[in-house]
Amino acid sequence: DIQMTQSPSSLSASVGDRVTITCRTSQTINNYLNWYQQKPGRAPKLLIHDASSLQSGVPSRFSGSGSGTDFTLTISNLQAEDFATYYCQQSDSAPLTFGGGTKVE
Amino acid sequence: EVQLVESGGGLVQPGGSLRLSCAVSGLTYSTYWMSWVRQAPGRGLEWVANIKQDGSDEHYVDSVKGRFTISRDNAKNSLYLQMSSLRAEDTAVYYCALAAGWELAYWGQGTLVTVSS
Repeated sequence: DIQMTQSPSSLSASVGDRVTITCRTSQTINNYLNWYQQKPGRAPKLLIHDASSLQSGVPSRFSGSGSGTDFTLTISNLQAEDFATYYCQQSDSAPLTFGGGTKVE
Repeated sequence: EVQLVESGGGLVQPGGSLRLSCAVSGLTYSTYWMSWVRQAPGRGLEWVANIKQDGSDEHYVDSVKGRFTISRDNAKNSLYLQMSSLRAEDTAVYYCALAAGWELAYWGQGTLVTVSS
């Protein structure tokens, strides 16, 4: 199974900040790396797929980068509605594992 | 508008069984892989299982192998998760999700399963 190491587990930020979250996989994946946002009591929402492709309707302040085993989600100019928990997930091979999550507060 | 609506959650005793359903609308359901993902209270997301478009291929996380079975009925635009030999650690909100490509692009609102005596 592919293990996912996401960091940090939480971070403190302010509106207008630039936020970076990292995800490392235990083996090389074919850029099948996705990022989701989840707010309390709500279902996760897809932000980025295939490492760097912005999902339709997602603001352009969200961006993804990386390849191989190291990936990054960046939120530029953090907005009030961005305070949430973020998860990475690999879809290279089953089981489709998630990272442990990063709470942005 | 794409909609996924789960049902079937509830309180069940350890060792018991439960069947979750997910009704999908707004797209051609039969052309997508489908997944179940769960989230224990206060914990992160855990992928549980997925199934190919025609039901010919399935995958499971190790912790549910032999106890859970994913299935689908394309004529009814529905996904199912049959859960048996339930344990306390299976307590979670269960989400169905649709894979557009390999990413989980659409999610239901979730249904809560509580395993307790």
